[in-house]
Amino acid sequence: DVKVTQSSRYLVKRTGEKVFLECVQDMDHENMFWYRQDPGLGLRLIYFSYDVKMKEKGDIPEGYSVSREKKERFSLILESASTNQTSMYLCASSKMDTEAFFGQGTRLTVV
Amino acid sequence: RKEVEQDPGPFNVPEGATVAFNCTYSNSASQSFFWYRQDCRKEPKLLMSVYSSGNEDGRFTAQLNRASQYISLLIRDSKLSDSATYLCVVNEGGVTGGGNKLTFGTGTQLKVEL
Repeated sequence: DVKVTQSSRYLVKRTGEKVFLECVQDMDHENMFWYRQDPGLGLRLIYFSYDVKMKEKGDIPEGYSVSREKKERFSLILESASTNQTSMYLCASSKMDTEAFFGQGTRLTVV
Repeated sequence: RKEVEQDPGPFNVPEGATVAFNCTYSNSASQSFFWYRQDCRKEPKLLMSVYSSGNEDGRFTAQLNRASQYISLLIRDSKLSDSATYLCVVNEGGVTGGGNKLTFGTGTQLKVEL
């Protein structure tokens, strides 16, 4: 079975802190994704990556950056957390042209 | 215009009913399509892929209409356990340098009642 693991289920951070969300997949997938999910807005793509050190902006990249130094790991970075970044963050991975598998999600609260 | 649009519902149906969801997409170059199911406070999980010829998996049937740019999901003989949010997903294909951009609709909520 594909496994996508996110480092934390719940996280509380203060405004202005630098926040790292980590995601690891064990199936040698080329693509990895970071989404946030908010009520009424669905899943919105923040960034995705199709290879080591390669990244593409999604629909809402502002305030975020990503890092993919190894194929299995994709990190989402909030440079200076703000309250409007309180959300559920979902990581996913996929092989090219196939379905994506999700991690269990990280519920981030910025206070 | 949103890239992938779904009616948010909720669709409240009695057990045993047949229910259909549609999803429209704006990018005609989209390459592959999926339906996902998401239960409350859980991550989305693949329900089925959608092929041009249509495909069926038990009580679930998915169809793709490329000319009109929509996909559909039909659920027959609804069960209480089908209550969930159903997400339409479109692979918008390669971007500069490769990769797939997977775009989700906002989801359609289904409630199956006794």
